Amino acid sequence: GQNIDQPTEMTATEGAIVQINCTYQTSGFNGLFWYQQHAGEAPTFLSYNVLDGLEEKGRFSSFLSRSKGYSYLLLKELQMKDSASYLCAAPHGSSNTGKLIFGQGTTLQVKP
Amino acid sequence: DTGVSQDPRHKITKRGQNVTFRCDPISEHNRLYWYRQTLGQGPEFLTYFQNEAQLEKSRLLSDRFSAERPKGSFSTLEIQRTEQGDSAMYLCADQGGADYGYTFGSGTRLTVV
Repeated sequence: GQNIDQPTEMTATEGAIVQINCTYQTSGFNGLFWYQQHAGEAPTFLSYNVLDGLEEKGRFSSFLSRSKGYSYLLLKELQMKDSASYLCAAPHGSSNTGKLIFGQGTTLQVKP
Repeated sequence: DTGVSQDPRHKITKRGQNVTFRCDPISEHNRLYWYRQTLGQGPEFLTYFQNEAQLEKSRLLSDRFSAERPKGSFSTLEIQRTEQGDSAMYLCADQGGADYGYTFGSGTRLTVV
């Protein structure tokens, strides 16, 4: 079966760095996604990793280790607006349907 | 291309009533997906279309649910005889890029009372 695990909640301070972890078990591997979702809004795409290593996009970076079934999202210089849910997701199986399996999301609260 | 649009944004209905939601994807994108999201959970796959063909349906989609995508453009999701357990956010997404990246609509929040 397929499973994605991530912590339910995290709290961090404005200006700090936070790392949100995600472990996954998938049959086949076609990449790992991170989405941001503010309360009451739709998820928005943050990153997609298909190769091992760290990919940086401004204040946000995403890391992948395929051998360990592990990814993390790194948020630097936290701002209050970064308070949101962060969803880890992986394509389902090895078929090319584009269907994604999502984790339950990690609710990040940024405090002043 | 102004993004994926969903209508209505909110719907409150009485148990047993039928409801229909609409999704207008970004033009020229072939794949369209419906997901359901309940509070504190990630989105769960319901069904998807490749152009007008409905290619996969989740076991979550009971026979009270039906989705269509006539002419491969907009899509509708209908729920018949709604139940309180149907209360959720219904998200539509399309997939434009080879990296599987989704563009989600703003969602329709359904409350069954």
